[in-house]
Amino acid sequence: EPEVTQTPSHQVTQMGQEVILRCVPISNHLYFYWYRQILGQKVEFLVSFYNNEISEKSEIFDDQFSVERPDGSNFTLKIRSTKLEDSAMYFCASSRWPGGYEQYFGPGTRLTVT
Amino acid sequence: GQNIDQPTEMTATEGAIVQINCTYQTSGFNGLFWYQQHAGEAPTFLSYNVLDGLEEKGRFSSFLSRSKGYSYLLLKELQMKDSASYLCAVRPIYGNNRLAFGKGNQVVVIP
Repeated sequence: EPEVTQTPSHQVTQMGQEVILRCVPISNHLYFYWYRQILGQKVEFLVSFYNNEISEKSEIFDDQFSVERPDGSNFTLKIRSTKLEDSAMYFCASSRWPGGYEQYFGPGTRLTVT
Repeated sequence: GQNIDQPTEMTATEGAIVQINCTYQTSGFNGLFWYQQHAGEAPTFLSYNVLDGLEEKGRFSSFLSRSKGYSYLLLKELQMKDSASYLCAVRPIYGNNRLAFGKGNQVVVIP
């Protein structure tokens, strides 16, 4: 069964550094998403992406964040100048159709900012 | 915005039935989703309701009342592997893509 993959599974970085989290969505899916989950808290929407552009972003997704689809398979989230409060699990998701119907989530990248 | 409320934790016995409730307030609504999340893992899709009523899918059923802003997930014939957090999420009508999640309800299944 096809699945969303993410790398790395765990990333440790120092405050102020830049990180790139990588995702490979399911191959015939057209809509891509990033969510984050701070430990013990709810899953929060960050951004959605379709047709090589952002279709929606949340209040969390400010200038510190950017997304890119550099090739036909990868979907990346870049976090610049990381802060302690960016420590969270970051989930990539994809769906065949818009609107969130049956979004498939990747296993996540645990980001620890020290 | 959205406000989604779920009780935090419950314990149930293997083989039993458990009902997990979710109430929501949102300025728009275009579907309610239930996801299962095991500790340290990704959410996995369980069910989707957009119209009022009951949707049945094997051991899991989900109910929606849009007028009451209320949904429940029913887990039957509980198994140990059902120990997980169950997340309720709504899709606001104005936002094409985002899912707004509740904090989740932790279910612990005991022998």
